[in-house]
Amino acid sequence: AQRVTQPEKLLSVFKGAPVELKCNYSYSGSPELFWYVQYSRQRLQLLLRHISRESIKGFTADLNKGETSFHLKKPFAQEEDSAMYYCALSGRTSGTYKYIFGTGTRLKVLA
Amino acid sequence: GAGVSQTPSNKVTEKGKYVELRCDPISGHTALYWYRQSLGQGPEFLIYFQGTGAADDSGLPNDRFFAVRPEGSVSTLKIQRTERGDSAVYLCASSVDSNQPQHFGDGTRLSIL
Repeated sequence: AQRVTQPEKLLSVFKGAPVELKCNYSYSGSPELFWYVQYSRQRLQLLLRHISRESIKGFTADLNKGETSFHLKKPFAQEEDSAMYYCALSGRTSGTYKYIFGTGTRLKVLA
Repeated sequence: GAGVSQTPSNKVTEKGKYVELRCDPISGHTALYWYRQSLGQGPEFLIYFQGTGAADDSGLPNDRFFAVRPEGSVSTLKIQRTERGDSAVYLCASSVDSNQPQHFGDGTRLSIL
């Protein structure tokens, strides 16, 4: 079955501590992986995508095809990182694209 | 420029009624997507359009749900004979092309009484 799994509903860390939001996927093919973020009272927006291999707001994510994971990491969390984070994949299947989101992880960065 | 716009922002109606939800994508975006998000869940794919045609409608839960995009821009999601289980936030997104990052609207919160 095609799915995206985010095992943690809530992750609380102290400011300055490292953060890792877990994402595992199951997909028969070569999907593209994304992280989307939703800050309080704002719309869902793209944070980063695996093919860009960028660091956005200090966050990075590496696609591990062997472990089928795409964990989101930041070495030093900031209070403004508190938000809802969704891992998502898109992939081409039978001539069309599939889009699957995880259930999300709420990150709370404590002062 | 303007982002993805969804109207109305909130819709409350009675069970059994018909509702239409509108999405104005970013100008020039050829792909448009509809998702449904229930409390505590991630966005659940419903349908996506490439231009005027529905490229994949496999996420529509049943035949009470229908969506159109007649001119390849604005899209309308239509729900007939609404049920209480249809209550959710309906999100629209658009992208330059399929498989590109999606830009989301604020959603329409639909409540069926």
